[in-house]
Amino acid sequence: QVQLQEAGPGQVKPSETLSLTCSVSGASVNSGSYFCRWTRQLPGKSLEWIGDIHNSGSTSYNPALKSRVTISIDTSKNQFSLKLASVSADDTAMYYCSRGNVLTTADANWGPGTMVTVSS
Amino acid sequence: DIQMTQSPSSLSASVGDRVTITCRSSQNIDTFLNWFQQKPGKAPKLLIFGASRLQSGVPSRFSGSGSGTDFTLTISSLQPEDFATYYCRQSYSVPGTFGQGTTVEIK
Repeated sequence: QVQLQEAGPGQVKPSETLSLTCSVSGASVNSGSYFCRWTRQLPGKSLEWIGDIHNSGSTSYNPALKSRVTISIDTSKNQFSLKLASVSADDTAMYYCSRGNVLTTADANWGPGTMVTVSS
Repeated sequence: DIQMTQSPSSLSASVGDRVTITCRSSQNIDTFLNWFQQKPGKAPKLLIFGASRLQSGVPSRFSGSGSGTDFTLTISSLQPEDFATYYCRQSYSVPGTFGQGTTVEIK
């Protein structure tokens, strides 16, 4: 059974960098048939795709966030990470990691999410 | 960006009712359409991928249809555990975009 778990600080100061990790169990982040993804949900709002990374290291980012986002994979720890630079209150959200199938483009496995508040 | 518009934004229904939620994309997305269910405080759960393909483990009362720009999620007989918010999401082009959500409430 594939399980994902987000981890990181619950609060980040404005202008600093938000850093989250997603630990994967029951599957390898190095699988060529799957992608790893970050999605966020602002309070009371819909969902917003942040970006994907494939085992090759290739990434795809939301153009609205691209200048501030970095997603990376650590195969030795079987986890992947999100860095979002220069955060503001607009980045306060629930952050989810997920894993999806390249062929179906659908992410069936999600972590429970972690709430990040941007505040001084 | 491709805009995804769901209707209605919310609906009230009773257990046993047939419920239909629609999702319209601002341009042709073929069948690159997923449906998710989200309950309060929980992560989204994938129900349907490829517009009509039922994710493993999802009850058969859920079904999806459509292609191009118009899509439908149907719950054939609403169960108590189905009261939640439902989102469509296109995976045809970057950025993948979600609809605004449809909340199914108890009547």
